[in-house]
Order: sequence, then C-alpha cells, then structure tokens
Amino acid sequence: NAGVTQTPKFQVLKTGQSMTLQCAQDMNHEYMSWYRQDPGMGLRLIHYSVGAGITDQGEVPNGYNVSRSTTEDFPLRLLSAAPSQTSVYFCASSPRLAGDQETQYFGPGTRLLVL
Amino acid sequence: RKEVEQDPGPFNVPEGATVAFNCTYSNSASQSFFWYRQDCRKEPKLLMSVYSSGNEDGRFTAQLNRASQYISLLIRDSKLSDSATYLCVVNGAGGSYIPTFGRGTSLIVHP
Repeated sequence: NAGVTQTPKFQVLKTGQSMTLQCAQDMNHEYMSWYRQDPGMGLRLIHYSVGAGITDQGEVPNGYNVSRSTTEDFPLRLLSAAPSQTSVYFCASSPRLAGDQETQYFGPGTRLLVL
Repeated sequence: RKEVEQDPGPFNVPEGATVAFNCTYSNSASQSFFWYRQDCRKEPKLLMSVYSSGNEDGRFTAQLNRASQYISLLIRDSKLSDSATYLCVVNGAGGSYIPTFGRGTSLIVHP
C-alpha cells in the first residue's frame, strides 16, 4: 500500500491563480480531511469528508473547495490564491470518523507559496 | 478557551532525562485521545493512543485523567532522536467526532 499520497510536493503561485492539490489513499478509508499548518498555529482543519459524495467545512474553509467523487481521492481546490494561503497542506485519512481509537494517516504534505 | 491546549515549549533536556508533557481538553464528552509525533518538515505520525487505564510503549507512557480533563505523555531515558514536536489529538473535543489537534509541544534533546 502506498498509504496517503499528495501532489505536488511544492508549488509557487501568483496571487489570483487557481490550482488543485491532489490527495489519494489506497486503504479504503471512509474519512479524509485537509489541514493547513502555519507556524505557531498548529494544524487547522479546512474541509473533511466522511465518505464518497459527502463533504463538510472545517475550521478554516474560506477560499477552498473540495469534492469526494470516489473513496480514494479528495482534491483540494484553491479558487483564487492569496498570500494568506501560503502554508503547508496535509491530507489525512482514517478508516472511519466515529468510534474509538481511529488513527489518522497523513500524506507527506504540499508546501505552497503564494506571491 | 481553546478546545485542546498544550504548552508549546520548547522543552530542552539532556540525553537520559525524563520529560513529561500535558495536554488539556475542554469537552468532558471527548471520546478518544492520541499522541502524534511530528519531525521537522514532515507529516505527523501516530506515537500512541491513550487508554483510560494508561498505557506504556517502551520508554513512553501515556495517561488519561478524565476528572481533570487532561492527558499526559512521559518519556523516560530521552534520546537525541526523540527531538520532535508532540501533538495531542482529541476526538470529540468540539462536540463532534472530528479530531482536534493541539498546537504541539517542542522537545529538544541535547547531548
């Protein structure tokens, strides 16, 4: 199993450009999520999904869209990039959301710089 | 009050020392608890789950205190390789099953 994969590893955008961060998992996990991590702020939840066709907003959803057309893929779209979106983005998955002891598996991250 | 709080540190300790971190959570109905480790510029990885009765994995011991609403991580005989950021994660801290991450505690182990 490859686990959770993310592409690209690095990206530089200009203000106003749009792009999609890709995330895929091959573990048949129901729950997937996107976080951003900024210095001193910890991991903040952007969007999450409890299964194909179901998505919901997290703590900091503005400026981002997601979709979940398959169990495996959970892309994150930046609609019009802003310098405030410069961050490290992590995708994570776990077998289920509800229940006890549900470990999250993280992808290696995407480092995004918006100029 | 934040849902999950950690002392950011850094905790600077010599090799061989014992060090402990605490993490407090605000929702008494929180369901499950974890410690993750994150190395510099890497993704978080599960270190250990935290069980009600407490649990140990080698040099690492995790405890849960539901009455006072905190979890702890004890590291004995610290190694240089233990240097990392330790993230506390609470499922259900925000009133749903969504995991909530603390901001992390930085540990630096020096020779």
